[in-house]
Amino acid sequence: EVKLVESGGGLVQPGRSLKLSCAASGFNFNDYWMGWVRQAPGKGLEWIGEINKDSSTINYTPSLKDKFTISRDNAQNTLYLQMSKLGSEDTAIYYCARESSLGYYVMDAWGQGASVTVSS
Amino acid sequence: DIQMTQSPASLSASLGETVTIECRASEDIYNGLAWYQQKPGKSPQLLIYNANSLHTGVPSRFSGSGSGTQYSLKINSLQSEDVASYFCQQYYDYPPTFGSGTKLEIK
Repeated sequence: EVKLVESGGGLVQPGRSLKLSCAASGFNFNDYWMGWVRQAPGKGLEWIGEINKDSSTINYTPSLKDKFTISRDNAQNTLYLQMSKLGSEDTAIYYCARESSLGYYVMDAWGQGASVTVSS
Repeated sequence: DIQMTQSPASLSASLGETVTIECRASEDIYNGLAWYQQKPGKSPQLLIYNANSLHTGVPSRFSGSGSGTQYSLKINSLQSEDVASYFCQQYYDYPPTFGSGTKLEIK
């Protein structure tokens, strides 16, 4: 069974940093591009970015490029999202997702999400 | 960025009915469109890709169609477990973008 489990969410003060992790199991992690998507409370979905199999290519949605850093550790089957200079607008549920072989940016497996609240 | 306009924002229908959700792209996306279902309190799940291809394990009452800038998701014979929000996503152009969602309820 494909499983993605995010961790590291919580309450963080404005201007601070936070790092999320996503532990993958049930599939060969090395064979897939991975990505992050977020969803603000009561809102729609926003694609954050993606990373290829060997970390040689990392893409971000332009408006978030300076705030987020995506990385992965294939030996640990883990995906990461480093977030910096957080503001209230970054309050959201953060999902890690596997990009399908069906097409770029098509996400065929999602984690349960990590809740991040930015507040003083 | 390509803008995805989804309608309606909410929808109420009876069990057994057929419902249709629309998605319009701000430019031609050449069938680079996916639909996701998000049940309350859960993460999104892929339903449809390439505008009309059913993802593995998705019931056949779900179908997708469209071309160019206009796409739709149809749910035949509505079931109680279909209560969810539905999102379209274009992946023809970078960055991928989502519609604002349609919340489907049972009447």
